Amino acid sequence: DVKVTQSSRYLVKRTGEKVFLECVQDMDHENMFWYRQDPGLGLRLIYFSYDVKMKEKGDIPEGYSVSREKKERFSLILESASTNQTSMYLCASTPDTSYEQYFGPGTRLTVT
Amino acid sequence: GQNIDQPTEMTATEGAIVQINCTYQTSGFNGLFWYQQHAGEAPTFLSYNVLDGLEEKGRFSSFLSRSKGYSYLLLKELQMKDSASYLCAGHSGGYQKVTFGTGTKLQVIP
Repeated sequence: DVKVTQSSRYLVKRTGEKVFLECVQDMDHENMFWYRQDPGLGLRLIYFSYDVKMKEKGDIPEGYSVSREKKERFSLILESASTNQTSMYLCASTPDTSYEQYFGPGTRLTVT
Repeated sequence: GQNIDQPTEMTATEGAIVQINCTYQTSGFNGLFWYQQHAGEAPTFLSYNVLDGLEEKGRFSSFLSRSKGYSYLLLKELQMKDSASYLCAGHSGGYQKVTFGTGTKLQVIP
């Protein structure tokens, strides 16, 4: 079974803090994604990566950056957290040979 | 870009059939996904349609009409555990980029 894990299920941070969200997949997938999910807005793509050290902006990259130093790990960074970044963050991965995305359990981030 | 539209909420009775519609407007369209998401959980893959027509997978079927920009998910013999949000998502472009709709929250009642 494909397994996508995220470093925390729940996280509370203060405004202005630097926040790291980690995602690890164990199936050697080439592509990894970060989404945020908000009520009434659905899943929105923040960034994705199709290879190590490669990244592409999604639909809402402002206020976020990413890092992919190893194939299995994709990190989302909030340089200076703000209250409007309070959300559920979901990581996903997919191999080049398939379009099915495998999602992690999500991290519910609250910025106070 | 892509625009995905689906109803916000639906209610159906246990044992019945329900059809969840999705319309999309997209350039460079490749195919259409359906995902299921139970409250508080991650989305899980249900189907991916590339060609026109109906694809059946057990109690769930998915239909696509590329010319009409239209898809639906059909759930038969509804069970209480089918209460969840159903996400329609369009795949376009050369990368593995997918755009999700806001989801349809289905409530199955006894």
